[in-house]
Formats: sequence, structure tokens, C-alpha cells
Amino acid sequence: GENVEQHPSTLSVQEGDSAVIKCTYSDSASNYFPWYKQELGKRPQLIIDIRSNVGEKKDQRIAVTLNKTAKHFSLHITETQPEDSAVYFCAASMGFQKLVFGTGTRLLVSP
Amino acid sequence: DAGITQSPRHKVTETGTPVTLRCHQTENHRYMYWYRQDPGHGLRLIHYSYGVKDTDKGEVSDGYSVSRSKTEDFLLTLESATSSQTSVYFCAISESKPAAYGYTFGSGTRLTVV
Repeated sequence: GENVEQHPSTLSVQEGDSAVIKCTYSDSASNYFPWYKQELGKRPQLIIDIRSNVGEKKDQRIAVTLNKTAKHFSLHITETQPEDSAVYFCAASMGFQKLVFGTGTRLLVSP
Repeated sequence: DAGITQSPRHKVTETGTPVTLRCHQTENHRYMYWYRQDPGHGLRLIHYSYGVKDTDKGEVSDGYSVSRSKTEDFLLTLESATSSQTSVYFCAISESKPAAYGYTFGSGTRLTVV
């Protein structure tokens, strides 16, 4: 079945620095790659997604890149702020009905 | 809020007892999912439904069963709870083609099996 690996498991940055989280997937048929942010005690919420026909997508300070050949995709957060502190999950589509999630990255942004 | 609610929000139960968690949606979405979240494992799929009475297993389905008799409700049952099923359980919904539009998650149920 589909497997998604996510790194690093924890990431500490200073406010204003950039943060990068990387994921790799195993199923070459995967064509949808969302990212979710989960604040402590809250539900995961979709922050950005990318489809396989696009190489990069940006939304203000957040961007996602996709390399289909290498089967990896990354989340980039620029000018990090303390409110960016959370757990981030990547996911990849499996068939057309399911998402498979990575194990999560705990991002800590220090003032 | 988000049209999806889970109940109960918290539950403590004893080993060996049956437990049912409920997911209710008001969005009339076709797809519903149950995931469990554990440290170091992320979100793992237990079961999912692609329509009324249509369900399928996920990667960690042993010890769990589901039912969906109405579009709006998806029930997760732990037949005989074990300590390894202590976890946070999230329900998720998707309108159609979840592999193209992602999920909306419920607020979660924290289950402790003692």
C-alpha cells in the first residue's frame, strides 16, 4: 500500500527564519498532496494542497513544491511567526477515495 | 462549526467493554472516515465509507467495526476495548473525490481504556 515518510519529526526555528518540511511517497499513481496544520488540542486543518500537474503553489508565506520524478514534496514557511507553532502533516492520495498521512512534524517557532 | 461533530469528546472505559463513537455531519457529504492519532504514528485510517451501507477497511481495522445507516452518521465500534486502543479518534468527511479535495476533520474523541 501507499507509504508516506515525513521529516523531520521536530523542527525548531527562530521567529523570522524559514522552515522546510519534506515528505516522500511510494505510489506513483498518487496525484493529490495536501498539508494539514494541527494546533495543540485541535483538529487538523487544511492549509495548502497541490495536484500532480503543478510543480509549485504559493499562498502568502506558505508554499508547497512537488517533484513527481523523485516522488517527494515539501512545505516551505517563510518569515515564521510564533503562531506557526503546531504539528504539520503531509498526505498523499491513495486511489481516489483515501489519503495516507505522514507521521507529522512538530514545528516550534521561538520569539 | 465545519458541519461535523463527534461524540463523546472524551471517554474513559474499562478493558473488555464495547464502545461506540459517533460522527455526525450536516454537509450531506458522501465520504466519511475514521482515523486514530497516536504519537509517532500520525493519522492512521481505521475504516471509511463511500456511501450508505458501503464501508471498507483501512490499515488498522482489527478490533474495530463501523456502520453507516444514514448519510449523516458514521459509527465506530470497539467490540472489546483494549489498552492499545487508547488514542484520539478523528472523523473526517469529504464531498466527493477526496483525493482531489481533501478532508474536513471533526474535533476528535479522546478515548482512554483502563
